[in-house]
Amino acid sequence: RKEVEQDPGPFNVPEGATVAFNCTYSNSASQSFFWYRQDCRKEPKLLMSVYSSGNEDGRFTAQLNRASQYISLLIRDSKLSDSATYLCVVTLSGSARQLTFGSGTQLTVLP
Amino acid sequence: DAEITQSPRHKITETGRQVTLACHQTWNHNNMFWYRQDLGHGLRLIHYSYGVHDTNKGEVSDGYSVSRSNTEDLPLTLESAASSQTSVYFCASAKDGNQPQHFGDGTRLSIL
Repeated sequence: RKEVEQDPGPFNVPEGATVAFNCTYSNSASQSFFWYRQDCRKEPKLLMSVYSSGNEDGRFTAQLNRASQYISLLIRDSKLSDSATYLCVVTLSGSARQLTFGSGTQLTVLP
Repeated sequence: DAEITQSPRHKITETGRQVTLACHQTWNHNNMFWYRQDLGHGLRLIHYSYGVHDTNKGEVSDGYSVSRSNTEDLPLTLESAASSQTSVYFCASAKDGNQPQHFGDGTRLSIL
């Protein structure tokens, strides 16, 4: 079982749609959680950190469910510019400064 | 503005040659990392460093080495390049333990 698992997609949605991604992690002692986005083999860029209480940044909402060991990302009112691969990232207990990346979920927003 | 830069952006070389990829950051971050990214795989950790003179092996360290002689630089060396090392390489840095990492633009390395 992979340490961090994501549905690879692709997700193809129309502009204005709401789309949600989930990510599961295997280590219950994981410490920190992030969502990154990556455009067409460019460098990953931090989208948002994920906090236990959930957090929102504009059209993006991230939630953490420690009991079920999953993280979610909700994108409302999708824009063409949201098309990218979204990477779920976790720091694992015992190696808190190392990140473990999911393989990514590909999103295409269609006009 | 502080930043992280990688060089070269693209490189083509032959099997058996030694190759060094540069990574330089101006944030004064203690933690630096090297990853490779291949189709069908996520980012995989090659080596990492938590400070000057500290280096550690990651998930896919065979055939690679790093050195950390100062805070700003973590060069990645392929001692004898192999075709299996053709990949996109990303360097990253972070301030401390649970802070997010910031990535360089990447180096596309082709080994023929």
